Amino acid sequence: AQSVSQHNHHVILSEAASLELGCNYSYGGTVNLFWYVQYPGQHLQLLLKYFSGDPLVKGIKGFEAEFIKSKFSFNLRKPSVQWSDTAEYFCAVNAKAAGNKLTFGGGTRVLVKP
Amino acid sequence: GAVVSQHPSRVICKSGTSVKIECRSLDFQATTMFWYRQFPKQSLMLMATSNEGSKATYEQGVEKDKFLINHASLTLSTLTVTSAHPEDSSFYICSARAFQGQNTEAFFGQGTRLTVV
Repeated sequence: AQSVSQHNHHVILSEAASLELGCNYSYGGTVNLFWYVQYPGQHLQLLLKYFSGDPLVKGIKGFEAEFIKSKFSFNLRKPSVQWSDTAEYFCAVNAKAAGNKLTFGGGTRVLVKP
Repeated sequence: GAVVSQHPSRVICKSGTSVKIECRSLDFQATTMFWYRQFPKQSLMLMATSNEGSKATYEQGVEKDKFLINHASLTLSTLTVTSAHPEDSSFYICSARAFQGQNTEAFFGQGTRLTVV
């Protein structure tokens, strides 16, 4: 079945470490890609999005993601995390092949130790 | 970014009663609205997609008679959980998009935590 996969369910790292969260999707054709963050007790916030153009997308709070079409991937990165980056991160894909519905990955819970 | 307001943020109801959750786009017209359900420590599961003025499209496994969705205007969609049971307790989230096409972002409401006792 077509889906969105996030490989890591839990990530624990120390402040100043680099972060990379994987996201793969299985939809063919045109896709729009998103990364959302959900801080404890808060609602979803958009970190960044890719519609077209430069496959390296820069978002808020120092996050970036790279769309690699050949690998069906859209991995999220941050060079140096802070304690305040502790949150759950969701990759989401909007695919024409899926009727333009926004489908979420399973989420990755990130804990940054001070 | 655009604002989507969801109300109520929390609701507790007795088993067998119905609960209505409202989702409003405050500063844009939402052609399409999505309703999601999020179980504890899990991802968002799409329940249904509604386009203004037409019937909602439900995902497989979602009971349309139990989760009634109305999208009567371009700024309001409602989800009614009918004859709620404890297993319906969950976090319900709506999102709204301005156009039916792909190249537009969906904005999310704050979510509604439903507890059925």
